[in-house]
Amino acid sequence: SQQGEEDPQALSIQEGENATMNCSYKTSINNLQWYRQNSGRGLVHLILIRSNEREKHSGRLRVTLDTSKKSSSLLITASRAADTASYFCATDAGGFKTIFGAGTRLFVKA
Amino acid sequence: DVKVTQSSRYLVKRTGEKVFLECVQDMDHENMFWYRQDPGLGLRLIYFSYDVKMKEKGDIPEGYSVSREKKERFSLILESASTNQTSMYLCASSPPLTGVAPYEQYFGPGTRLTVT
Repeated sequence: SQQGEEDPQALSIQEGENATMNCSYKTSINNLQWYRQNSGRGLVHLILIRSNEREKHSGRLRVTLDTSKKSSSLLITASRAADTASYFCATDAGGFKTIFGAGTRLFVKA
Repeated sequence: DVKVTQSSRYLVKRTGEKVFLECVQDMDHENMFWYRQDPGLGLRLIYFSYDVKMKEKGDIPEGYSVSREKKERFSLILESASTNQTSMYLCASSPPLTGVAPYEQYFGPGTRLTVT
């Protein structure tokens, strides 16, 4: 079973609105990462949050981590059409392995 | 910027053919990975390598093998392609592990393989 599971599976919003995606995981982690994938392309790393951090910002991105609930959220503020993509959370599985969720598909309407 | 390139964006092969997917990274990364991505299943790890000539099985290694003769190049081999191997294949690389957590991975653009 997957370590990270995103919610919702798909999200459609208007340009300028905020988009929130959630990720839940099952076992203890050292860090959690968020990636973006534009249609038909490879994944691009967005942000990494460590298990001892609760919140992290990068530009219009805000990530929170609640280790007691084993969950994380990614907030994109003032969304743009260019933010249309799939977003994945990824958790370390010990050693070299990283486990990716199935992703949230975000569609931002202009 | 880190660059990870994959030999083909699109590939069509016949059942039973031997297929080679090549991946090259230019950042001197020790770790390299091969994933396949299917709708609703996310990314699943096929194989990874943490050094030249070293390889480890991932979650779904059956039907695949890999080769890493040089640090910058990691090849995925489908010994006898089957229709259930039709998928998007993604290569990634990352710096060596330090401390307790892996660093972010840098991905190539992907190869969409169709086996007919």
